[in-house]
Amino acid sequence: RKEVEQDPGPFNVPEGATVAFNCTYSNSASQSFFWYRQDCRKEPKLLMSVYSSGNEDGRFTAQLNRASQYISLLIRDSKLSDSATYLCAVMDTGRRALTFGSGTRLQVQP
Amino acid sequence: NAGVTQTPKFQVLKTGQSMTLQCAQDMNHEYMSWYRQDPGMGLRLIHYSVGAGITDQGEVPNGYNVSRSTTEDFPLRLLSAAPSQTSVYFCASSPGPGISYEQYFGPGTRLTVT
Repeated sequence: RKEVEQDPGPFNVPEGATVAFNCTYSNSASQSFFWYRQDCRKEPKLLMSVYSSGNEDGRFTAQLNRASQYISLLIRDSKLSDSATYLCAVMDTGRRALTFGSGTRLQVQP
Repeated sequence: NAGVTQTPKFQVLKTGQSMTLQCAQDMNHEYMSWYRQDPGMGLRLIHYSVGAGITDQGEVPNGYNVSRSTTEDFPLRLLSAAPSQTSVYFCASSPGPGISYEQYFGPGTRLTVT
């Protein structure tokens, strides 16, 4: 079983839609959680960190459920410019680098 | 700040050749990492470093060596290139404990081994 799993998609949604991605992780010792955005095999860029209390940044909301070991990303009012691959990443105490999921591709259509 | 820089941007090697991918950061970050990304497989950790003089293996270390003699530089050496090492290589850095574990990525090196 992979350490971090994501549905690869693609998710094809119309502009203005709300879309949610989930990511599960297997290591209960994981301590830091992130969502990254990657465009066309360019470098990943941090979208947001994920906290137990949940956090929101504009149209984006991230949640962490430690009991069920998953993190989620909600995008409201999707824009064409949101089309990208979204990667979740976790860090555990044993390895001080991030482990990434394989990414979920989002295509927002006009 | 230039952030994380990587050279070269593109490279073609023949099987058996060796080369070094360069990575440098000017943010005084403690942690640095190397990842490879293959289609549909996300980023996989090759090696990482938690400070000058300290390196450790990641998920896919075979065929690669690293060293970290300074805080700024973290080169990745391919000892004897194989077609299976055709990939996009990303270097990343992060401030480390007490500050943040979020990773800042370089633009990547696209390597083809024929």
